[in-house]
Amino acid sequence: NAGVTQTPKFQVLKTGQSMTLQCAQDMNHEYMSWYRQDPGMGLRLIHYSVGAGITDQGEVPNGYNVSRSTTEDFPLRLLSAAPSQTSVYFCASRDGVRGNQPQHFGDGTRLSIL
Amino acid sequence: AQSVTQLDSQVPVFEEAPVELRCNYSSSVSVYLFWYVQYPNQGLQLLLKYLSGSTLVESINGFEAEFNKSQTSFHLRKPSVHISDTAEYFCAVSVSGGFKTIFGAGTRLFVKA
Repeated sequence: NAGVTQTPKFQVLKTGQSMTLQCAQDMNHEYMSWYRQDPGMGLRLIHYSVGAGITDQGEVPNGYNVSRSTTEDFPLRLLSAAPSQTSVYFCASRDGVRGNQPQHFGDGTRLSIL
Repeated sequence: AQSVTQLDSQVPVFEEAPVELRCNYSSSVSVYLFWYVQYPNQGLQLLLKYLSGSTLVESINGFEAEFNKSQTSFHLRKPSVHISDTAEYFCAVSVSGGFKTIFGAGTRLFVKA
């Protein structure tokens, strides 16, 4: 049971570099989402998707792009990394697009921007 | 828009003592409520959920939470904590018919021997 798999687990970038955080789930869930976790701020929603080809913005979308070409994969792209994007990033998925089901989380990607 | 407030950022407690972690939400429509637990260097795991029906919900490891619509609260309680309960706990809310789930800032529970 792989569940939600995130790669890489750790990454250090220089300001201005680009990077893609990978997320894959094997549960055939329609809904997938990306959060960032910062001390004292909990988890903040960056982007979410309700199915292949459909994405929308969350609370803090600036500086991030997403796409959903398949049900399984939901990558998060940083086009030009900034120190303010230093954070722990979590991908999650759930069964059903409406919010009445719990989410399944990956183990996170710890990203540092120098 | 919905929001979630966890009233305590840290809660220290001795082993075998009771604990309450507080959560208040704001929403003008019906909501679904969740508590998640996060152990160090791991992702979040579902602890319990309220969708409808009985306002008191329980987890398999002794936690319970009560949905109070009039006070817009969903506090988490355990009558006797263990060292292994040391973790960060997050309250989350989804609006009925909506797509987004919004999380609180988290409460760090420290259980001391």
